[in-house]
Amino acid sequence: DSGVTQTPKHLITATGQRVTLRCSPRSGDLSVYWYQQSLDQGLQFLIQYYNGEERAKGNILERFSAQQFPDLHSELNLSSLELGDSALYFCASSVAWEGTDTQYFGPGTRLTVL
Amino acid sequence: GENVEQHPSTLSVQEGDSAVIKCTYSDSASNYFPWYKQELGKRPQLIIDIRSNVGEKKDQRIAVTLNKTAKHFSLHITETQPEDSAVYFCAASYPGGFKTIFGAGTRLFVKA
Repeated sequence: DSGVTQTPKHLITATGQRVTLRCSPRSGDLSVYWYQQSLDQGLQFLIQYYNGEERAKGNILERFSAQQFPDLHSELNLSSLELGDSALYFCASSVAWEGTDTQYFGPGTRLTVL
Repeated sequence: GENVEQHPSTLSVQEGDSAVIKCTYSDSASNYFPWYKQELGKRPQLIIDIRSNVGEKKDQRIAVTLNKTAKHFSLHITETQPEDSAVYFCAASYPGGFKTIFGAGTRLFVKA
C-alpha cells in the first residue's frame, strides 16, 4: 500500500456525461500528479499540482480539468465523455514539486464509457 | 522534445534465467531514473531507482545500471520467478520543474 488513495475504484458512465475522480496523497506529500493509462498503453501524464497550484501540464484535453484543495486532496473532472476516454486513471504523490522526487501511485480508477 | 525509449516491448524468459530491460533517454539534464513494476490492473510500484551520481544500484535480485555518457540505463533481474511477470516501466526525470518521462513499458513473461 503506497498511502495514496483514490475513489471510486470503478466508474461506468455514458458518452456525454461528466465524472469526478478523487485522490488523497500520502501524508506529508504536497504534489499530486494525474496519469491516464489506456488499455495496454503506457502512462500518459496529464497534470501536476503542488500545494494547491497547478505546476505542470501534459497531454490533458480541454474537456478535462483538475484542482487541488487546501487539504491537498485533488479531483480530476472529465466532461463530455467519449468512448476513447475509457482508461485507468492514476494519481501519484510526492513530497515536493521536483521531477526528481519519487512518485507513489494510488490504486487507480477504472473508467468505462459506454 | 524529451523522449525515453524502452526495449524490448515484450520479453519471455525461463524461470531462473536473467532478464534485462534497456532504456535510452534524450535529455542530458536527466538525473533521476526510477523503475516501476505494474501487475495487471494494479498500480505501478516503484521497485528501484538510481540517481546520476552513481553508476549502479542493487537490491537483492534487482539491479539498475546507468551510463550517463551514452544516456542509457538498464534493469537487471536475476533468478527470475513467475511472480516477476508484469509490465516494467522506466522513467527519466530532471530537476528544475516537473518532467518525468515514462518509457512505453516492457511486458515480462517468466515461464515456470
